[in-house]
Amino acid sequence: DGGITQSPKYLFRKEGQNVTLSCEQNLNHDAMYWYRQDPGQGLRLIYYSQIVNDFQKGDIAEGYSVSREKKESFPLTVTSAQKNPTAFYLCASSPLSVRSGNTEAFFGQGTRLTVV
Amino acid sequence: SQQGEEDPQALSIQEGENATMNCSYKTSINNLQWYRQNSGRGLVHLILIRSNEREKHSGRLRVTLDTSKKSSSLLITASRAADTASYFCATVPYGGATNKLIFGTGTLLAVQP
Repeated sequence: DGGITQSPKYLFRKEGQNVTLSCEQNLNHDAMYWYRQDPGQGLRLIYYSQIVNDFQKGDIAEGYSVSREKKESFPLTVTSAQKNPTAFYLCASSPLSVRSGNTEAFFGQGTRLTVV
Repeated sequence: SQQGEEDPQALSIQEGENATMNCSYKTSINNLQWYRQNSGRGLVHLILIRSNEREKHSGRLRVTLDTSKKSSSLLITASRAADTASYFCATVPYGGATNKLIFGTGTLLAVQP
């Protein structure tokens, strides 16, 4: 049963704590992404990775960190430096089509992070 | 930065009516994609249109692309209550990271039974 799995579904964090959101895919996709979605808004790119051991900052990387040690996994750490971390976080993956880029992304079901 | 702006922000129609959503973007693109998001869930891919295509159909969906105006539209025909969701356009910028998707702000569609 192929897909992309995010965990946990809900996460509560105290101010000043780091938390790590999990994202795993068994679709054999090279590219993986993290997006943040605030209520009633679109998705903003945090980080993306096109190959193991390499990743690039998106538009809102400050206060976040990632790693890509395995092709299947792309965890996101929300650090205490992120001043407004309460949001819905979405992980996605896609095949990497070098020639055309004409491939779709597959999304996980999201993690809702709340700072208490 | 968000590449796309969608219009309208919210749309309410009756079952059986058609729904049209528009998306404008800022830079040249490789392709434009439309996604659907049910409340509190992940996004699901609906349709992809390449920069050299002008129109594409998939079931009750029709997408048009006008690269000269940097705009696209999504038409859902004969809408159903189950079509209620948010709809997002996303672009893959030309010459950028191969699969880097940049999303618009979305249109919230409510289909009344």
